[in-house]
Amino acid sequence: QITLKESGPTLVKPTETLRLTCIFSGFSLSTTGVGVGWIRQPPGKALEWLASIHWGDNGRCNPSLGGRLTITKDTSKNQVVLTMTNMDPVDTATYYCAHRRVALGLDFWGQGVLVTVSS
Amino acid sequence: DIQMTQSPSTLSASVGDRVTITCRASQSINSHLAWYQQKSGKTPQVLIHRASSLQSGVPSRFSGSESGTEFTLTISSLQPDDFGTYYCQQYDDYPWAFGQGTKVEI
Repeated sequence: QITLKESGPTLVKPTETLRLTCIFSGFSLSTTGVGVGWIRQPPGKALEWLASIHWGDNGRCNPSLGGRLTITKDTSKNQVVLTMTNMDPVDTATYYCAHRRVALGLDFWGQGVLVTVSS
Repeated sequence: DIQMTQSPSTLSASVGDRVTITCRASQSINSHLAWYQQKSGKTPQVLIHRASSLQSGVPSRFSGSESGTEFTLTISSLQPDDFGTYYCQQYDDYPWAFGQGTKVEI
């Protein structure tokens, strides 16, 4: 059974760095074809892809965030970490991580974590 | 970057209606398109992979099709449980992109 759960602060101050951890079970990031993505959704708005990392790569991030994103994986701990620097109130959103297999969509999602950016 | 244009933004329909939602990609995406349903306050759920492959467990009233760079999600007979917002997503090339969503009101 595949499960994912996002872990991290629910409140950050402007200019701070956000670090979110996706802790998963039921699959391994050392398995060919498997990946984990991060997606966010501001309140009342659409989904936005942030970053993805797969079994055989070091990850890709959305350039629209201006180089603020980093994604890393720890295969031994079954974790993927998303780091976002220089947080701003417009970054207030629910942040999700999700599982995928190559050539398919995001088929298992975490419950999401609402991150509020406010002083 | 590949842009995804989804329409309509809102759709009102009755139970039993046939409903179609369209997503247009700005370039070829090699059928690498997924459809998701999201109910208010809930996590998105994948319905369709690779433009037309139904996710296991999804009712057969949902179907996907493509014609060039235009993709369609069809609900053959709308059910009360089908209200929510639907998103398309291309995963052919980075940066991946979601459509802006279609809110389906029953």
